[in-house]
Amino acid sequence: EDQVTQSPEALRLQEGESSSLNCSYTVSGLRGLFWYRQDPGKGPEFLFTLYSAGEEKEKERLKATLTKKESFLHITAPKPEDSATYLCAVQDRRYGQNFVFGPGTRLSVLP
Amino acid sequence: DAGVIQSPRHEVTEMGQEVTLRCKPISGHDYLFWYRQTMMRGLELLIYFNNNVPIDDSGMPEDRFSAKMPNASFSTLKIQPSEPRDSAVYFCASSRGQITGELFFGEGSRLTVL
Repeated sequence: EDQVTQSPEALRLQEGESSSLNCSYTVSGLRGLFWYRQDPGKGPEFLFTLYSAGEEKEKERLKATLTKKESFLHITAPKPEDSATYLCAVQDRRYGQNFVFGPGTRLSVLP
Repeated sequence: DAGVIQSPRHEVTEMGQEVTLRCKPISGHDYLFWYRQTMMRGLELLIYFNNNVPIDDSGMPEDRFSAKMPNASFSTLKIQPSEPRDSAVYFCASSRGQITGELFFGEGSRLTVL
């Protein structure tokens, strides 16, 4: 059974204090790993797709990386507007378009 | 283009009542997903459709839940009868299947069953 775990559950940073969020996954055949951002009261918003180990994607202060067992979302010099819940999801080649989401990391960036 | 549109945004009902949630996907998207989000279980896939046909409904909790997609621009998720444990936020999402990974979510329907 595909599994996705995320750590830490919650993270508080000072503005400008860089850190990383972790997503660990177990799938038999990874089609893709995805990062989403979710603001309170909103639906998740797509950030990145990673397909193979060694791949990296960047967007503003965010950088996502992928290994065979985990992914990291690095946040460089975060700002208060980066506060949100960050969700990781995987897609297994066996299960069509089924996305399995992790529980998320709740990030708070304090001014 | 408008995003995924869900209604109602909030629904409060009493146990035993029928609840119908509605979704309009993004035009041109051939996949539609229904997810449920709770604090305890996170985001769980309930069912997804491809070209209006249900493909995987293994996440539908029980017979009280049913989903339909009568055409490419409309889907419903129905709960009958509703129970307090059904209280959650229900999200609809759509995607273009060939381009994996980017699900476009609606703003969700928050259901409270008393």
